[in-house]
Amino acid sequence: DTEVTQTPKHLVMGMTNKKSLKCEQHMGHRAMYWYKQKAKKPPELMFVYSYEKLSINESVPSRFSPECPNSSLLNLHLHALQPEDSALYLCASSQDSRFHQPQHFGDGTRLSIL
Amino acid sequence: QQQVKQSPQSLIVQKGGISIINCAYENTAFDYFPWYQQFPGKGPALLIAIRPDVSEKKEGRFTISFNKSAKQFSLHIMDSQPGDSATYFCAASFLIQGAQKLVFGQGTRLTINP
Repeated sequence: DTEVTQTPKHLVMGMTNKKSLKCEQHMGHRAMYWYKQKAKKPPELMFVYSYEKLSINESVPSRFSPECPNSSLLNLHLHALQPEDSALYLCASSQDSRFHQPQHFGDGTRLSIL
Repeated sequence: QQQVKQSPQSLIVQKGGISIINCAYENTAFDYFPWYQQFPGKGPALLIAIRPDVSEKKEGRFTISFNKSAKQFSLHIMDSQPGDSATYFCAASFLIQGAQKLVFGQGTRLTINP
């Protein structure tokens, strides 16, 4: 069982909807990440949070809005998404993003945009 | 150049054989090289990782070989088993803006025939 929990596992939404993806870890990690993975492709980094502060934004469109309310929780708020945003969204955590440390991934939320 | 090139794209190996996956990079800022295994419907799971001051690392049936001067590294899976059938991603990490950025190779779909 993965130690990074993502909810929901599946999400179908229309282009005008607003929804949120949630990620939780209880390993005491202080770095959390969002990745996007299209079918048969590698994960691509979207955001990095370090000690609850946004450290890296990989030029992600503003229709994706991350939030880190505390060290255990990471949210990704979605609004006015496009069909090409359909993908698997993966959350990961590591002990401290300031150092090279293993990233632990959740099983993702599979998002479909109608 | 923030790319990691991975080959082959797909690989079929007989049970008990050796599976070899190769990766190459250009950016000398990369300082940590993990390998991830991903099963369908699951998130990537860390297999083994190496730092550039080490030429080889072995964990069970999995070995990473690292050639710093050639900027190449490879994963060897000894005594390959059907349960090893999965997609394998090499990755390279560097630190930027006080955070770890992980870049993945394109992936290798490994099939172990019984």
